Amino acid sequence: AQSVTQPDIHITVSEGASLELRCNYSYGATPYLFWYVQSPGQGLQLLLKYFSGDTLVQGIKGFEAEFKRSQSSFNLRKPSVHWSDAAEYFCAVGAKGSARQLTFGSGTQLTVLP
Amino acid sequence: GAGVSQTPSNKVTEKGKYVELRCDPISGHTALYWYRQSLGQGPEFLIYFQGTGAADDSGLPNDRFFAVRPEGSVSTLKIQRTERGDSAVYLCASSPVRTGPDTQYFGPGTRLTVL
Repeated sequence: AQSVTQPDIHITVSEGASLELRCNYSYGATPYLFWYVQSPGQGLQLLLKYFSGDTLVQGIKGFEAEFKRSQSSFNLRKPSVHWSDAAEYFCAVGAKGSARQLTFGSGTQLTVLP
Repeated sequence: GAGVSQTPSNKVTEKGKYVELRCDPISGHTALYWYRQSLGQGPEFLIYFQGTGAADDSGLPNDRFFAVRPEGSVSTLKIQRTERGDSAVYLCASSPVRTGPDTQYFGPGTRLTVL
């Protein structure tokens, strides 16, 4: 069974600083990988996804993520954080084949200081 | 177009009562998922529908939980004899895909509180 680890429960950055949120997965083959963002009282919004091909994927709101097979990682990055980026971020892995559900990490809460 | 909608947005009930949570997927999406998100955790899979049938219900915690999707569109998650541990946000997602890579679009969730 697949699993996802987000080692940082809470991260604080200053507005304008760069951001990297870590995600490590466990899966027997190359999985489908996702980053979602959740603002208070809101559902999950898809930021970006990796299915195959180029290991550096671009998403919405200026986010990008890089799939590194050797490290089983899919870290999320943004070069300059905005105050509106404050939210909770979830990494998720989707299996190939008949099992179509997503397995989520426990999330990283991002606080942005003015 | 409209996204996934869920009703009610909040539900407060007493221990032992029965509740129904409704999900309206994006029009034309054949796949529908239910997840449960406890406080401070990521969503956990409950059940997946492809059309009208439950293709995978391996995430349902016990037989108090049941879900239907009779016409292949709207789905209802039903919880019998609710317990305080059932308190969580219940998320619904839908997807247009039958096979291959699958992007799931989530609704805002129903916050269930069992007193």
